[in-house]
Amino acid sequence: EPEVTQTPSHQVTQMGQEVILRCVPISNHLYFYWYRQILGQKVEFLVSFYNNEISEKSEIFDDQFSVERPDGSNFTLKIRSTKLEDSAMYFCASRSDRGTEAFFGQGTRLTVV
Amino acid sequence: GIQVEQSPPDLILQEGANSTLRCNFSDSVNNLQWFHQNPWGQLINLFYIPSGTKQNGRLSATTVATERYSLLYISSSQTTDSGVYFCAVALNYQLIWGAGTKLIIKP
Repeated sequence: EPEVTQTPSHQVTQMGQEVILRCVPISNHLYFYWYRQILGQKVEFLVSFYNNEISEKSEIFDDQFSVERPDGSNFTLKIRSTKLEDSAMYFCASRSDRGTEAFFGQGTRLTVV
Repeated sequence: GIQVEQSPPDLILQEGANSTLRCNFSDSVNNLQWFHQNPWGQLINLFYIPSGTKQNGRLSATTVATERYSLLYISSSQTTDSGVYFCAVALNYQLIWGAGTKLIIKP
């Protein structure tokens, strides 16, 4: 069964460093999403991406965040200068244009020290 | 925006017991999904169920869209069922998540 894959599963970075979280969505999907979950809290929407541009973003998704689809398979989330409060699980999801179901990857745990 | 409430917030059961988790939402939706988050933080897709009933092994789910709630049933619980169960809903594709039900299954 097709699945969304995320790498790495866990990343530790120093405050102020740039990180790139990677996702490979399901191959025929056209809509891509990033969500975030701070430890012990709800999962929160960050951004949606369609047709090579951001279609919607939340207040959390400020100028330090960016997303990119650098080739036909990868979808990345970049955090330019990480802060301690960026420590969280980051989930990628994708959706086809034929339905409303979102398929989630298993997440990347980002720890900023 | 849409509000999502899950109950109970915490549930401790003995292995072999059955459980029912509830998700209430405040508005009409075109998507409702249930997820299991394991102790390592990974999300596992359980059900896509904007309406109706589905079953997958010991798990089943029912959504009554007209009454704005969904139920997740777990039968014959196993210790591997432990974790947090999330309900998430969407009207325009962006998922809104509940706070989850933390389930602990004791051997």
